[in-house]
Amino acid sequence: DVKVTQSSRYLVKRTGEKVFLECVQDMDHENMFWYRQDPGLGLRLIYFSYDVKMKEKGDIPEGYSVSREKKERFSLILESASTNQTSMYLCASSLSGLAGVDEQYFGPGTRLTVT
Amino acid sequence: QKEVEQDPGPLSVPEGAIVSLNCTYSNSAFQYFMWYRQYSRKGPELLMYTYSSGNKEDGRFTAQVDKSSKYISLFIRDSQPSDSATYLCAMSAMDYGQNFVFGPGTRLSVLP
Repeated sequence: DVKVTQSSRYLVKRTGEKVFLECVQDMDHENMFWYRQDPGLGLRLIYFSYDVKMKEKGDIPEGYSVSREKKERFSLILESASTNQTSMYLCASSLSGLAGVDEQYFGPGTRLTVT
Repeated sequence: QKEVEQDPGPLSVPEGAIVSLNCTYSNSAFQYFMWYRQYSRKGPELLMYTYSSGNKEDGRFTAQVDKSSKYISLFIRDSQPSDSATYLCAMSAMDYGQNFVFGPGTRLSVLP
């Protein structure tokens, strides 16, 4: 069974803080993704990575950065958290090849509140 | 116009009912279509996928794609309370580097 784990289920941070969200997958998947999920807007892709140290911007990368130093770990960084980054953050991974074809396996999500 | 549209619901049905969930899309390049189910406080999990047009059946679930109308459906027969979840459609053009575009999801409640 593929397992995608996220470091925290709930997180509360203050405006201006630097926030790290960690994601680990245990199935040697090539592709990893970070989404945010907001009511009425669905899942929106922030960044994805198709290999170690490789990253590609998604639809809404502003205010975020990512790091993939090891194949199994993909980190999302909010350099200076703002209240409009309050959201559910979902990490996903998929096997390899075409990122838009393989099934994506999702973690349980991190609900981030920025006050 | 959003690239993928989906009625957010909530949709409430009695146990045993047939449920129809739908998405419309605007990008005619989409060829790969998926349905994800997301239970409360969990990440989405893949339910079904189809390529191009046609139907696909898996137990009580049937996925249907009509590319000419840019319309996809998920039917659930003999719905159960355990089917209560949010259902997300996702689609892709299958070009390298093209990721999935997700619909906003429909919240379904199946009442016992």
